[in-house]
Amino acid sequence: SQQGEEDPQALSIQEGENATMNCSYKTSINNLQWYRQNSGRGLVHLILIRSNEREKHSGRLRVTLDTSKKSSSLLITASRAADTASYFCATDITGRTPLVFGKGTRLSVIA
Amino acid sequence: EAGVAQSPRYKIIEKRQSVAFWCNPISGHATLYWYQQILGQGPKLLIQFQNNGVVDDSQLPKDRFSAERLKGVDSTLKIQPAKLEDSAVYLCASSLRLATDTQYFGPGTRLTVL
Repeated sequence: SQQGEEDPQALSIQEGENATMNCSYKTSINNLQWYRQNSGRGLVHLILIRSNEREKHSGRLRVTLDTSKKSSSLLITASRAADTASYFCATDITGRTPLVFGKGTRLSVIA
Repeated sequence: EAGVAQSPRYKIIEKRQSVAFWCNPISGHATLYWYQQILGQGPKLLIQFQNNGVVDDSQLPKDRFSAERLKGVDSTLKIQPAKLEDSAVYLCASSLRLATDTQYFGPGTRLTVL
């Protein structure tokens, strides 16, 4: 079953612009993680935010978490062509259960 | 540090044939996962091992899929017999300990069933 749903499904922007992707989920979580997948490759972990955190930064990435709305957003600032990939949110419900991935947002950054 | 290794990278088989995938996790990682990723969707967990024991295989179609992790290191995932709907990318991942640890993914095996 799909716990997280990313929005939009696809996003196309110009290099240098910011990209924002959203993730909504259904049940309370222990933490939420964002992963990136380049075409034909495995997933790469980007950032983990715990349920008691509201915002985290990593380089050009900024993740927010609103547990009252059961949603998270991933912001990529000053995007580059190399950021072209699919981005997935994954939720961990109890700390001992497997991650559940959403369907992903496909980001295209045009040079 | 070497990443998660998987082989083969691509496999094409006829329906009803058998196929096996191999995964070598990052050294020292106790937890190993097999995911199925159908085109346009996110990865779906098939089975999770902690060392050589199964933690979760609730979404593994056990009538045709099997997996093992001998000696708590390498793992193999087998499909016998394959169906058309098994066409997908099979991803192996590993993490140091718990399911909440960062997972490190291999490049995947793209399976096409004709």
